[in-house]
Amino acid sequence: DQQVKQNSPSLSVQEGRISILNCDYTNSMFDYFLWYKKYPAEGPTFLISISSIKDKNEDGRFTVFLNKSAKHLSLHIVPSQPGDSAVYFCAAKETSGSRLTFGEGTQLTVNP
Amino acid sequence: NAGVTQTPKFRILKIGQSMTLQCTQDMNHNYMYWYRQDPGMGLKLIYYSVGAGITDKGEVPNGYNVSRSTTEDFPLRLELAAPSQTSVYFCASSGQVFGEQYFGPGTRLTVT
Repeated sequence: DQQVKQNSPSLSVQEGRISILNCDYTNSMFDYFLWYKKYPAEGPTFLISISSIKDKNEDGRFTVFLNKSAKHLSLHIVPSQPGDSAVYFCAAKETSGSRLTFGEGTQLTVNP
Repeated sequence: NAGVTQTPKFRILKIGQSMTLQCTQDMNHNYMYWYRQDPGMGLKLIYYSVGAGITDKGEVPNGYNVSRSTTEDFPLRLELAAPSQTSVYFCASSGQVFGEQYFGPGTRLTVT
């Protein structure tokens, strides 16, 4: 039972354009969502998060949007840079616990 | 400040052998986690700990054991290694229930 799903295994965009990574979840108890970025041979690093009381959170070039009714969130990267090429994981958690549930990841490639 | 460190980086085991993956964090975090990542998959939680002396099972605990005798260390023990345990193992820690998790660089384990 995959409670967090990233349906696109890969995404390719041109430098300077917008990258949009999508994530869907099924567990209505999830109320905190995070995006992690992972380079090869490294551990994931935290990128940005959003609480279910918000529908948008911005940090520089990164914005996360949350649509609770659709159980959908997305990460926008504007403008995309070649250094953004990495695997992006969506993760979710319930208020009552510290455990994260991860999606399968999306490989983003930003072409110069 | 080293963050989360893991040893070894790589290991090849024969079927039936055992080993311990080491994880240490220097951020005085109460929460620690072990994940495995199989190719094309997200991170699956193996075990986690909310403090010294307290551990609990995650999604995929079979074939593994953990202990948490100090705040800093959270070793993962594999007994009777099987090919299905071939994976990349990540240790992580967080300072609070809602805090983001900080990951180590991973241990790539192959069981043949």
